[in-house]
Amino acid sequence: EVQLVESGGGLVQPGGSLRLSCAASGFTFSSYSMNWVRQAPGKGLEWVSYISSSSSTIYYADSVKGRFTISRDNAKNSLYLQMNSLRAEDTAVYYCAREEGGYAGYWGQGTLVTVSS
Amino acid sequence: SYVLTQPPSVSVAPGQTARITCGGNNIGSKSVHWYQQKPGQAPVLVVYDDSDRPSGIPERFSGSNSGNTATLTISRVEAGDEADYYCQVWDSSSDHPRVFGTGTKVTVL
Repeated sequence: EVQLVESGGGLVQPGGSLRLSCAASGFTFSSYSMNWVRQAPGKGLEWVSYISSSSSTIYYADSVKGRFTISRDNAKNSLYLQMNSLRAEDTAVYYCAREEGGYAGYWGQGTLVTVSS
Repeated sequence: SYVLTQPPSVSVAPGQTARITCGGNNIGSKSVHWYQQKPGQAPVLVVYDDSDRPSGIPERFSGSNSGNTATLTISRVEAGDEADYYCQVWDSSSDHPRVFGTGTKVTVL
């Protein structure tokens, strides 16, 4: 069974940093590209970042470019999102999602990030 | 970047058909995918590549895509179909390749 479990969310002050993790199991993690998608409270889905299986291709949404860094460790079956210079508008539930070829076939349950003083 | 527009809400009586549109410039040339999200839950893929269904998704969910509009159709609507629905495309010409629609709240009357 495919499982994606996010962790690392919490309350952080504006300008602070946080590192999210996504632990994958039930499939060959190194064979799949991955995504981070977020959802602000009461708002829609927003794609954040994409990383290919070998980390050779990476994309970011304009809203996070230069502040967030996506990475992965295939030996540890883990996906990461390093978030720096956090802003109030980064407050959201962050989901990791397995890429199936243009779409997200499996999603984690999400981790809440709250940016507030 | 590419923009996908959905109606904010659709209301439908049980047993009837709900149609949710997703508008985008020449969207018919792209593959469209649809997600269902219930309150407090992660999104679930219900249609991919315009009209294919993942295993476990009822045949009542179907999709089409042509011109500037893609449509998710839910036939014989049930109370359990009440949720938010999002379309999504892969904009291969962009360095922001994953784009979500604005979302539609489906209410079962």
